Amino acid sequence: DGGITQSPKYLFRKEGQNVTLSCEQNLNHDAMYWYRQDPGQGLRLIYYSQIVNDFQKGDIAEGYSVSREKKESFPLTVTSAQKNPTAFYLCASSIIGRTSTDTQYFGPGTRLTVL
Amino acid sequence: GQNIDQPTEMTATEGAIVQINCTYQTSGFNGLFWYQQHAGEAPTFLSYNVLDGLEEKGRFSSFLSRSKGYSYLLLKELQMKDSASYLCAAPSGAGSYQLTFGKGTKLSVIP
Repeated sequence: DGGITQSPKYLFRKEGQNVTLSCEQNLNHDAMYWYRQDPGQGLRLIYYSQIVNDFQKGDIAEGYSVSREKKESFPLTVTSAQKNPTAFYLCASSIIGRTSTDTQYFGPGTRLTVL
Repeated sequence: GQNIDQPTEMTATEGAIVQINCTYQTSGFNGLFWYQQHAGEAPTFLSYNVLDGLEEKGRFSSFLSRSKGYSYLLLKELQMKDSASYLCAAPSGAGSYQLTFGKGTKLSVIP
């Protein structure tokens, strides 16, 4: 089955610790995205990548970092510099990403709680 | 940048019809998406409109008016499982492949 996987589903970390969220897709999609969702808020773009070894900041990139060493993988690191990291994190991918008309498909999400 | 506006909450009765509206800025428009998101889960794609008019997919239909910057999602024969948030999304700007999402409309279907 093709799809997007994110692990773990729930993640707990102590304040001040960096944490990496995984995102893997086997859809052969070129573009991948990371969003953050807070209660009562829309999805906000953190980072996105169109091709391997290239990525761009979204609207709320501060305190986050990413890498795109393989087409299938786009891990997100939440650093200690992120002031309010507790949120629901969603990874998405799309087939081309050159135009805005490419439908984005989402992984199941990781709920991060910083204690 | 793009500005998406949709109602925060709606309530409808099982078996009824409900219309969820969405307005957006028209400059640089290149398509509008609707997603469904159940609580605690990921959004799932429902529809994509780029031309004016109504597109029907079973119980769900989506309408677009580009000149008015307006779209709606129409849900017929409501079922309890349709209780979810419905997200409207549009390109963040002219030629942009980033999407701006609305805050979502939480639909509660009651017996």
